[in-house]
Amino acid sequence: EPEVTQTPSHQVTQMGQEVILRCVPISNHLYFYWYRQILGQKVEFLVSFYNNEISEKSEIFDDQFSVERPDGSNFTLKIRSTKLEDSAMYFCASSDVAGGINEQFFGPGTRLTVL
Amino acid sequence: ELKVEQNPLFLSMQEGKNYTIYCNYSTTSDRLYWYRQDPGKSLESLFVLLSNGAVKQEGRLMASLDTKARLSTLHITAAVHDLSATYFCAVELGQKVTFGTGTKLQVIP
Repeated sequence: EPEVTQTPSHQVTQMGQEVILRCVPISNHLYFYWYRQILGQKVEFLVSFYNNEISEKSEIFDDQFSVERPDGSNFTLKIRSTKLEDSAMYFCASSDVAGGINEQFFGPGTRLTVL
Repeated sequence: ELKVEQNPLFLSMQEGKNYTIYCNYSTTSDRLYWYRQDPGKSLESLFVLLSNGAVKQEGRLMASLDTKARLSTLHITAAVHDLSATYFCAVELGQKVTFGTGTKLQVIP
């Protein structure tokens, strides 16, 4: 069964460093998302992406964040200069809006720890 | 700003009992989702509800949507230990999805 994959599973970085989180969505899906979940808290929407551009973004998704689909298969989230409060689980999701359903399939997540 | 509230936040129930989790949201929406999350794991899609009066059932779980009341419910019938997890509702408007606070369910044998 097709699934969303994410790498790495765990990333440790120093404050101020740049990180790139990678996702491979399900191959025929057209809509892509990033979410984050601080430990023990709710899931927060970051950004949605369709047709090679951002569709929606939240207040969290400021100038420090960017997304890219560099090669037609990967979907990346870059954080330019990480802060301690960026430590969280980051989930990628994809969907194809078949029949208007837009069921999103989530990847396993990347745990980001900023020291 | 769309707000999504769930209650209860924590639910401890005995096996065999029934209970309902509530999800209220503040503005009209395009779709409503229910997800399950096991500790340390990703989110598993349970239901997608599109229209007023929609009802979907899978095993011991049944979800319904009342768009006029801006309310969705997740009903658990005859709970079993395997249902222990955190359940999130999420509301989509445009391409933005807002999650509820989550309900941590513990089913006690």
